[in-house]
Amino acid sequence: DAGVIQSPRHEVTEMGQEVTLRCKPISGHNSLFWYRQTMMRGLELLIYFNNNVPIDDSGMPEDRFSAKMPNASFSTLKIQPSEPRDSAVYFCASSLDGDEQFFGPGTRLTVL
Amino acid sequence: GENVEQHPSTLSVQEGDSAVIKCTYSDSASNYFPWYKQELGKRPQLIIDIRSNVGEKKDQRIAVTLNKTAKHFSLHITETQPEDSAVYFCAASRDDYKLSFGAGTTVTVRA
Repeated sequence: DAGVIQSPRHEVTEMGQEVTLRCKPISGHNSLFWYRQTMMRGLELLIYFNNNVPIDDSGMPEDRFSAKMPNASFSTLKIQPSEPRDSAVYFCASSLDGDEQFFGPGTRLTVL
Repeated sequence: GENVEQHPSTLSVQEGDSAVIKCTYSDSASNYFPWYKQELGKRPQLIIDIRSNVGEKKDQRIAVTLNKTAKHFSLHITETQPEDSAVYFCAASRDDYKLSFGAGTTVTVRA
């Protein structure tokens, strides 16, 4: 089992550009979570999906952020337009029926 | 929503000593309490969890205790080793899988 896969691992972009982060959950898992981690705010849940349906997006900071899960094996988190304050490590995690959440390696985003 | 507070923010212990991290939560309906360990530059990984129907759980050198009445839970690491150095996060959730994390505790084990 390859675990949760995220791409890219590192992303450096300029303010105003669109950023798309990708996640492939563990096969068979039915819940997927997007987190953001910063020194100031710690680990924050942005949005989570259950059976490909967004259940709670109350953590999405603003309309510049959007997430999709078109099928059980793929999800994207998009930021458009990006701002320097979006710089953080973004983690994707997956679980089966609310059991242990397995985190991916994360994407380190830097917005200049 | 759920609010989880974690103390201390940093903890330095001598190798072989014990380390204790404490968390409190606000939502009395929370029933799942996992602990994650995150090494520098790595992903968070679950080390132990406890559900509200038990008061204590142990796995080798790691134990977690839960006091539902007081709404607090603690992580105990005994016989600490250098590889225990990491950031530890507590979390709490209700049945909807949504985890609320504490701010983290940076543990340093001195050789």
